[in-house]
Amino acid sequence: SQTIHQWPATLVQPVGSPLSLECTVEGTSNPNLYWYRQAAGRGLQLLFYSVGIGQISSEVPQNLSASRPQDRQFILSSKKLLLSDSGFYLCAWSVNQGEIGYTFGSGTRLTVV
Amino acid sequence: GQQLNQSPQSMFIQEGEDVSMNCTSSSIFNTWLWYKQDPGEGPVLLIALYKAGELTSNGRLTAQFGITRKDSFLNISASIPSDVGIYFCAGQLRRGGATNKLIFGTGTLLAVQP
Repeated sequence: SQTIHQWPATLVQPVGSPLSLECTVEGTSNPNLYWYRQAAGRGLQLLFYSVGIGQISSEVPQNLSASRPQDRQFILSSKKLLLSDSGFYLCAWSVNQGEIGYTFGSGTRLTVV
Repeated sequence: GQQLNQSPQSMFIQEGEDVSMNCTSSSIFNTWLWYKQDPGEGPVLLIALYKAGELTSNGRLTAQFGITRKDSFLNISASIPSDVGIYFCAGQLRRGGATNKLIFGTGTLLAVQP
């Protein structure tokens, strides 16, 4: 069966520090991968999605970047965090073509202080 | 990015009450989904709807795909404390391409008083 792993679960980082959040999927190949941010426990904002290795689409301009160095690995990064980067970050995957919906990871709570 | 209009934004109810929430869009979808997010967790799929007019149940949950393909609703009957969380609708326009991005609603926060 397919599983999605996301870490760390919580992170407290000072302003100006770098960020690296990792997401991996097991039990499938060539998934579509997504990074979402959820501020204040409400709406889901799509940040990036990827349909293949090295292919990244950005949905909103921001202080973050994403990379997909391997088929089932998706990384969210920042060189210098801002206070406004605080939030709940969710990784998700879906089958490439045809499958219904996304499966989400358990999320990373990021607090920038 | 695009979001669906979901209402109500929040609901505070007594245990045992029924709950109804809905989602509307300016564009059509060929799939509607309902997710539930427990506090501090990722959203989990509750119900998927594939056809206009379809009515689907999953235990105490019932969801319908609007006939216009631009709306959907979710009912929860006889609510219990573990129903607490944020409920998201999501629309998907599945085509033959590689991406079938979900468009999410703004969420409905449900609080249940025991």
